[in-house]
Amino acid sequence: AQKITQTQPGMFVQEKEAVTLDCTYDTSDQSYGLFWYKQPSSGEMIFLIYQGSYDEQNATEGRYSLNFQKARKSANLVISASQLGDSAMYFCAMREGQRDDKIIFGKGTRLHILP
Amino acid sequence: EADIYQTPRYLVIGTGKKITLECSQTMGHDKMYWYQQDPGMELHLIHYSYGVNSTEKGDLSSESTVSRIRTEHFPLTLESARPSHTSQYLCASSEFTQETQYFGPGTRLLVL
Repeated sequence: AQKITQTQPGMFVQEKEAVTLDCTYDTSDQSYGLFWYKQPSSGEMIFLIYQGSYDEQNATEGRYSLNFQKARKSANLVISASQLGDSAMYFCAMREGQRDDKIIFGKGTRLHILP
Repeated sequence: EADIYQTPRYLVIGTGKKITLECSQTMGHDKMYWYQQDPGMELHLIHYSYGVNSTEKGDLSSESTVSRIRTEHFPLTLESARPSHTSQYLCASSEFTQETQYFGPGTRLLVL
């Protein structure tokens, strides 16, 4: 079974609108971490935001926020006031437990921002 | 934020050649990682290291090898490149006590 599920292969959003990218995860560990990365067409992976499983507040970084719903095992990324430069692949990822710090990535969502 | 560099950015090479993909970081991070990513697909961990003289295989089986002789340097070597090795290779690093991995720009490898 997949550990990280991103159900939206692609999305088209009008510039300046807010967008939510879905991510659900599967783990039996109590301690874990969730990440979102952005990958533009140039190929590099850009870290956006992190949420620890024990963090009570939703993480925020500028226009990015992580809607963390622990009971539903959901960690959606919300981008407010989208910009043309937000067009990219977005990957949700998880670090399980405290055994090691290997990160498991989802298959990604390709976001297209329309002018 | 980490400063992490990868060379070359693009490489086209013939089957059977030996290649080394370079990865260096200037932040003194103990942990370093290599990922393989096919176009439009997720990343798969192929190697990682917790420090000098430490190397481990990742979740995806790979014919490549790595070494970690210096903290800042984590090269990946393919002894005999094959078309099935065509992919993007991403290097990352993180501090020992931190969760977040910071990535280099990647190397896009094409084996003919």
